[in-house]
Amino acid sequence: QKEVEQDPGPLSVPEGAIVSLNCTYSNSAFQYFMWYRQYSRKGPELLMYTYSSGNKEDGRFTAQVDKSSKYISLFIRDSQPSDSATYLCATLNASGGSYIPTFGRGTSLIVHP
Amino acid sequence: DTEVTQTPKHLVMGMTNKKSLKCEQHMGHRAMYWYKQKAKKPPELMFVYSYEKLSINESVPSRFSPECPNSSLLNLHLHALQPEDSALYLCASSQDSSGNTIYFGEGSWLTVV
Repeated sequence: QKEVEQDPGPLSVPEGAIVSLNCTYSNSAFQYFMWYRQYSRKGPELLMYTYSSGNKEDGRFTAQVDKSSKYISLFIRDSQPSDSATYLCATLNASGGSYIPTFGRGTSLIVHP
Repeated sequence: DTEVTQTPKHLVMGMTNKKSLKCEQHMGHRAMYWYKQKAKKPPELMFVYSYEKLSINESVPSRFSPECPNSSLLNLHLHALQPEDSALYLCASSQDSSGNTIYFGEGSWLTVV
């Protein structure tokens, strides 16, 4: 079982829709959770990170963590064509005294006008 | 724009060549990372440097050789690569090795012929 599971999509939505992107993780010890956005042929860009359970909002983006079900979500309100990208969730995995991001495989999002 | 700068953006090399990928950050971060990413796959960790010392080597073949000349620079020396090593190589940095705010460069596209 992979440590972070994510449906690769693609997820196709009309402009203005609310988008829900989700991941599950296996290790209950994970505390930090991140969402990255990656445009085609570019490096991942950190969108949000959260610690433990709860919600965090930043503009049109809301990150949600439910530790009881090991489920993390990213909601995008009023989606725009410029949001079309691959969204990667990540958790921090302790390794050799460091904490290393472990990525899901990414969900491809397409927002069409 | 990312504050992690990678050069070159594109590199084509033969299997007998020796080349290097370079990475620079001026955010005062003390941890730097090399990741490898194949198409439609998540980034895979290769190396972690923490306070200029190699702290993690994810069993990467010796044809990849990292070097950290100082806290702002990270190089990846390449020698006798195989065509399957063709990928996007991502450099990243974080304030320390807690990993929660890891920032990626735009990557170096490597093609081995």
